[in-house]
Amino acid sequence: QVQLVQSGAEVEKPGASVKVSCKASGYTFGSYGVSWVRQAPGQGLEWMGWISAYNGNTNYAQKFQGRVTMTTDTSTTTAYMELRSLTSDDTAVYYCARGNGHHDYWGQGTLVTVSS
Amino acid sequence: DIQMTQSPSTLSASVGDRVTITCRASQYISAWLAWYQQKPGKAPKLLIHQASRLESGVPSRFSGSGSGTEFTLTISSLQPDDFATYYCQHYNGYLWTFGQGTKVEVK
Repeated sequence: QVQLVQSGAEVEKPGASVKVSCKASGYTFGSYGVSWVRQAPGQGLEWMGWISAYNGNTNYAQKFQGRVTMTTDTSTTTAYMELRSLTSDDTAVYYCARGNGHHDYWGQGTLVTVSS
Repeated sequence: DIQMTQSPSTLSASVGDRVTITCRASQYISAWLAWYQQKPGKAPKLLIHQASRLESGVPSRFSGSGSGTEFTLTISSLQPDDFATYYCQHYNGYLWTFGQGTKVEVK
């Protein structure tokens, strides 16, 4: 069965970087892209960007351009999202989600807390 | 960027009610629209894609319609398991966005 399993919760200081992983299984990794979506406490869903697992092409939301990097490792069928220059506004649950537009499978979410 | 506006933000309803949620796009997006259900502490669940295509395993009381800039999600007879927050998401072009969400609560 399709599964996306994310890395565990992180606590970071302001100005630091965080890298979240998303291990995919149960399907042909290169056939689907992966989006990263975040949700601040009590807030809605925010699309951050998408990466093709086929060729590594990326599309980033304008808000995150220059501060986010999405990568994949096809040998381990894992997607990664790195966010730099963290502030308290980046405290959120970060989700990876499979899809090339709509998203049919989601990871369990990774809580990233930014606090001094 | 294309903005997605959902209405209402909160909806109070009873079991058995017919519920309709609207999502408007700031630009033409054809039928490139999905609907998700999210419960507290859980990842979103895909309900509908391409505006009206029901995802496998989703109950038939859920339906979607619309194209262009105006879309609706309808629950024909609200069930206890349907109290949740619903989001639309467009995927026209290369930059996608979610609506702000509609919380369906118990009346």
